Amino acid sequence: GAGVSQSPSNKVTEKGKDVELRCDPISGHTALYWYRQRLGQGLEFLIYFQGNSAPDKSGLPSDRFSAERTGESVSTLTIQRTQQEDSAVYLCASSLGGRNRGLSSPLHFGNGTRLTVT
Amino acid sequence: DAKTTQPPSMDCAEGRAANLPCNHSTISGNEYVYWYRQIHSQGPQYIIHGLKNNETNEMASLIITEDRKSSTLILPHATLRDTAVYYCIVRVAKTWSGNTGKLIFGQGTTLQVKP
Repeated sequence: GAGVSQSPSNKVTEKGKDVELRCDPISGHTALYWYRQRLGQGLEFLIYFQGNSAPDKSGLPSDRFSAERTGESVSTLTIQRTQQEDSAVYLCASSLGGRNRGLSSPLHFGNGTRLTVT
Repeated sequence: DAKTTQPPSMDCAEGRAANLPCNHSTISGNEYVYWYRQIHSQGPQYIIHGLKNNETNEMASLIITEDRKSSTLILPHATLRDTAVYYCIVRVAKTWSGNTGKLIFGQGTTLQVKP
């Protein structure tokens, strides 16, 4: 079946502009995660959504970053007033797991959006 | 979440078994061991996970020591396409308020499969 889909695959923007990144999770997956990966670095957790529960925003690096998710479908990650240090690959993942349930369901990742801020 | 320790890099000859070690000495009884790999320019790919018992699937085997403080991922017949960064991660088995069960990635092991 279809995996996690992210768009665009590449985005080049000028410093100071706003960008919006999109994630389409696997159908039926209730949990959705955003990660960031800078060049040559590991993955950094940004935010987590589970159904209608309040999202876990503990990984967002600044108030320029925000994300939304409508129900259990599409999510968008927005970066306002982009800076050069925001250049990275932004990865989205989804899973069947959720709060107060067993977490034996693995996360499945998309191939990310490569953001370059010039 | 418990932290893991992996060697930064390993080599393996094509066709031979690749054995990737991971230490997780502070793992809790309710935490799974997960393995992912990341091939250049792609998102991480799920490989396998386990709690206490050894596990095997079509990709790999996972051997967890009896005290659960370490594990080994085994790729039985490595190919050039298995060249990637391999991540060992521990993750809570159940959530409660304030814990999302998110995966915390370290630096992983870069496995180079050589012809």
